Amino acid sequence: AQSVTQPDIHITVSEGASLELRCNYSYGATPYLFWYVQSPGQGLQLLLKYFSGDTLVQGIKGFEAEFKRSQSSFNLRKPSVHWSDAAEYFCAAATWAGNMLTFGGGTRLMVKP
Amino acid sequence: NAGVTQTPKFQVLKTGQSMTLQCAQDMNHNSMYWYRQDPGMGLRLIYYSASEGTTDKGEVPNGYNVSRLNKREFSLRLESAAPSQTSVYFCASIATDRANEQFFGPGTRLTVL
Repeated sequence: AQSVTQPDIHITVSEGASLELRCNYSYGATPYLFWYVQSPGQGLQLLLKYFSGDTLVQGIKGFEAEFKRSQSSFNLRKPSVHWSDAAEYFCAAATWAGNMLTFGGGTRLMVKP
Repeated sequence: NAGVTQTPKFQVLKTGQSMTLQCAQDMNHNSMYWYRQDPGMGLRLIYYSASEGTTDKGEVPNGYNVSRLNKREFSLRLESAAPSQTSVYFCASIATDRANEQFFGPGTRLTVL
């Protein structure tokens, strides 16, 4: 069955420190891959997406993600975290042919001053 | 351009009551989805509509019905609410010409007592 896994439920980093959020997928073929962010009480906002080409994808708010086929991973990174980055982050995947998104369980990021 | 709108934002029901969650999008998208979000489980697909006049079950359809009233609107109905349906509900529409990027509404927080 297709699945997306985010191994870390909670992560706490200090403001200014680097960040990496992990995402692994299990699909028969390389899917479309997405990262979304959800601030408290808000809907989901797309940070970035990958569907082909360069394996390093740049997104909004200074985020980037790297697709690694050999590891079935699509990890999200940011060089220097800001307090406003505190939110929940969701990795998601969709098949090439279809458009049904499968979401990971989410990672809640807390930022220490 | 309002994007995806949902009403109501909050609702409290008693067990056995019925209600309809409304969703509308103004981006001329064909596909629309209903998700529920529960802690630690990410978003799970309830129903989706690939185009006007069609609806299909997602991962967790039991206890729900949907109506794709027209291209803009996709409603979710709970005929007899149960405490297990306490959740946050998100509607999304999909830009199939943008690698299936999903645009989310702000959500409806539903509590069933």
